[in-house]
Amino acid sequence: QGHLVESGGGLVKPGGSLRLSCAASGFTLRGNYMSWIRQAPGKGLEFILYISNSGETIYYADSVKGRFTSSRDTASNSLYLQLNSLSPDDTSVYYCARDFNNLGLDLWGQGTLVTVSS
Amino acid sequence: SVLTQPPSVSAAPGQKVTISCSGSSSNIGNNYVSWYQHLPGTAPKLLIYDNNKRPSGIPDRFSGSKSGTSATLGITGLQTGDEAVYYCATKDSSLTGGVFGGGTKLTVL
Repeated sequence: QGHLVESGGGLVKPGGSLRLSCAASGFTLRGNYMSWIRQAPGKGLEFILYISNSGETIYYADSVKGRFTSSRDTASNSLYLQLNSLSPDDTSVYYCARDFNNLGLDLWGQGTLVTVSS
Repeated sequence: SVLTQPPSVSAAPGQKVTISCSGSSSNIGNNYVSWYQHLPGTAPKLLIYDNNKRPSGIPDRFSGSKSGTSATLGITGLQTGDEAVYYCATKDSSLTGGVFGGGTKLTVL
């Protein structure tokens, strides 16, 4: 079935950077579209990046464009999200999720909390 | 959000509830809709994909439909454990990415 585990969250100062990881097991990232989604405290879910099965990022939300990038390591079967120029508005739980079919996200990680504060 | 959901709905245990999701031709009108249940402190759970299909393990109390630029999630035989926030999602052609509705909090009275 598969399993996703995010890590790398924490407290970071405004303007700082952070790298999140999403380790996949039970399936290969190479064959799947993946998404990064976040949820700010008290807010709804927000798509921020959409990654094709070839590893290409094919969508960036306007809110993260130019600051966040995603990469993939097929050897470790892991996805990474590089967060740069962070602001307090980026404070959220960040999830990676597998796109099973037409944005049917059937597998989610447990999420990792990023807090941006001085 | 470009997808509009009611902020909250409520119903009694055992009753039925529907949650609407309204969009446009650039999203719901020309793309499949999925629905998610989100309980506090947990990862969202896929309930419905491709407008009306249920993943294995999702009871048939949950159903989905789509008509034009709107979609609906139905839940029958409400249980207290169904209390959660429910989100619709779809692709949006103008964004080349996905969008979520604002979420609907279900209260089972």
